[in-house]
Amino acid sequence: AAGVIQSPRHLIKEKRETATLKCYPIPRHDTVYWYQQGPGQDPQFLISFYEKMQSDKGSIPDRFSAQQFSDYHSELNMSSLELGDSALYFCASSSGTSGRAYEQFFGPGTRLTVL
Amino acid sequence: TQLLEQSPQFLSIQEGENLTVYCNSSSVFSSLQWYRQEPGEGPVLLVTVVTGGEVKKLKRLTFQFGDARKDSSLHITAAQPGDTGLYLCAGEREDGSQGNLIFGKGTKLSVKP
Repeated sequence: AAGVIQSPRHLIKEKRETATLKCYPIPRHDTVYWYQQGPGQDPQFLISFYEKMQSDKGSIPDRFSAQQFSDYHSELNMSSLELGDSALYFCASSSGTSGRAYEQFFGPGTRLTVL
Repeated sequence: TQLLEQSPQFLSIQEGENLTVYCNSSSVFSSLQWYRQEPGEGPVLLVTVVTGGEVKKLKRLTFQFGDARKDSSLHITAAQPGDTGLYLCAGEREDGSQGNLIFGKGTKLSVKP
């Protein structure tokens, strides 16, 4: 079965640079979530989109923005990168119309390293 | 403060032993998921429980949701080395925004042959 696809899998950036992370949800999933997981930490919710509209916002810094496109893929844009942004970034998707919107399926993650 | 408390944090056992991992909260959850995560990989969904008192079985794994929907447990029977990994509970608070999953800190399980 198709899973959530994230790209790139690894990304190395310098401080103050920008980064764009991409997420392709499971086919027919209309909801996308972004999480940040620091070393040894549990995943922290950043932001989510349902049907291309932002549905919820968590601990996402103002330097970050995200959107969901008409094909339901999502991009997380990160600017003025700081050392503390180094983490694993996960995208998850679910189907809001299936009655099981609470079941989130995670992608493999993007490991961002800021030098 | 951690909304979902998982215990134990670390567990090292011998192959064939049984174990239970707990996930507790003072908040009510409309759903609770258990995930397993390998280092550097995304969490893989094992099970979802939504009804208070619900019990679900997945081969040697038994998941239970508390009657009040504030706690859950994962019981593994006759653990195998292949069960080694990080087990995370995550839930959607009943009074929170839909879809905003709150995670526990995880239980790192090591099963020695």
